[in-house]
Amino acid sequence: SQQGEEDPQALSIQEGENATMNCSYKTSINNLQWYRQNSGRGLVHLILIRSNEREKHSGRLRVTLDTSKKSSSLLITASRAADTASYFCATDAGDSNYQLIWGAGTKLIIKP
Amino acid sequence: KAGVTQTPRYLIKTRGQQVTLSCSPISGHRSVSWYQQTPGQGLQFLFEYFSETQRNKGNFPGRFSGRQFSNSRSEMNVSTLELGDSALYLCASSLVGRAYNEQFFGPGTRLTVL
Repeated sequence: SQQGEEDPQALSIQEGENATMNCSYKTSINNLQWYRQNSGRGLVHLILIRSNEREKHSGRLRVTLDTSKKSSSLLITASRAADTASYFCATDAGDSNYQLIWGAGTKLIIKP
Repeated sequence: KAGVTQTPRYLIKTRGQQVTLSCSPISGHRSVSWYQQTPGQGLQFLFEYFSETQRNKGNFPGRFSGRQFSNSRSEMNVSTLELGDSALYLCASSLVGRAYNEQFFGPGTRLTVL
């Protein structure tokens, strides 16, 4: 079963623009993670935000978490061609701390 | 430090056969998780092992099994393969395997069932 739902499913923007992806989830969580997957490097962890945090930054990435709305957003600023990938949110399963439950992903294409 | 390795990278099997996939975690990581990724279902959790014990299992039939060895290397086995088992199988390792930890993924094994 999928916990997170990413929105949009696909996003195409020009290089240099900002990209925003959203993730909604269904149950209460302890943390939420964002991962990136491309054909060259596989699935790579980007950032983790805990349920008591509202915002977190890492380089050009900014993640927000709104537990009252059960949603998170990932902002990539000043996009580059290398950012072309699929982006997934993943959460813990609430009553289980041993597995991640994944959203369907947002496919991001950066046009040169 | 070497990353997570998975072998083989590609596999073609026919229905009814069985297959064994292997995963070597990052040195020092004791937890190994397995995921199935398909275009239709996305990433689905299969199971997680820690110190040779299966701690959690996803909603997959008993044809899917796994094990972990004392050196933390893990294998997963799928018996009586079905066409729907065609997928990318990903292995992830982490220090303790809790869902609040970062997981490090291998490149995956692409299984095609004909």
